[in-house]
Amino acid sequence: EPEVTQTPSHQVTQMGQEVILRCVPISNHLYFYWYRQILGQKVEFLVSFYNNEISEKSEIFDDQFSVERPDGSNFTLKIRSTKLEDSAMYFCASKRDILNYGYTFGSGTRLTVV
Amino acid sequence: AQSVTQLGSHVSVSEGALVLLRCNYSSSVPPYLFWYVQYPNQGLQLLLKYTSAATLVKGINGFEAEFKKSETSFHLTKPSAHMSDAAEYFCAVSDKSGNTPLVFGKGTRLSVIA
Repeated sequence: EPEVTQTPSHQVTQMGQEVILRCVPISNHLYFYWYRQILGQKVEFLVSFYNNEISEKSEIFDDQFSVERPDGSNFTLKIRSTKLEDSAMYFCASKRDILNYGYTFGSGTRLTVV
Repeated sequence: AQSVTQLGSHVSVSEGALVLLRCNYSSSVPPYLFWYVQYPNQGLQLLLKYTSAATLVKGINGFEAEFKKSETSFHLTKPSAHMSDAAEYFCAVSDKSGNTPLVFGKGTRLSVIA
């Protein structure tokens, strides 16, 4: 069964450093998403991406965040200057069409900012 | 705006006992409702979904959920717990358009005792 692949599974970074979280969505999927879960809190929507542009973003997704689909297969989330409060599990998801029940999630990247 | 409340961050049941995980939603429009499961070190996997067809929805691994509009609930049940059911369970809500992102609850960790 096709999978969404996320790398790395765990990343530790120093506060103020840039990090790039990587995702490989399912190949025929057109809609891409990033969600995050701070420990003990809800899974929160960050951003959706379609047709090479952001289609929606949450209040969390401020100027320090950016997303890119650089080569037609990878989908990346960049945090420019990490803060302690960015420590969370970050999930990538993709779906083939607009209907909401087609999401496939990756296994997540646990980001720890020290 | 939509929201989900999952009652109980941790539920513990004996093997063979009934599993009941509670989810209440708030939505100003007819909702689509989902249950996802996350096993350790894995991604979010769709268990079942309600998309305005039958109110009793059957999913994978023997789980089912019933949509009750009058109670704004979508509780997840399984008649007999198995050790392999131990995982984190997330309830999520969206609308029918497919344009809005999933809104998740905080999750409920299910432990199964032998």
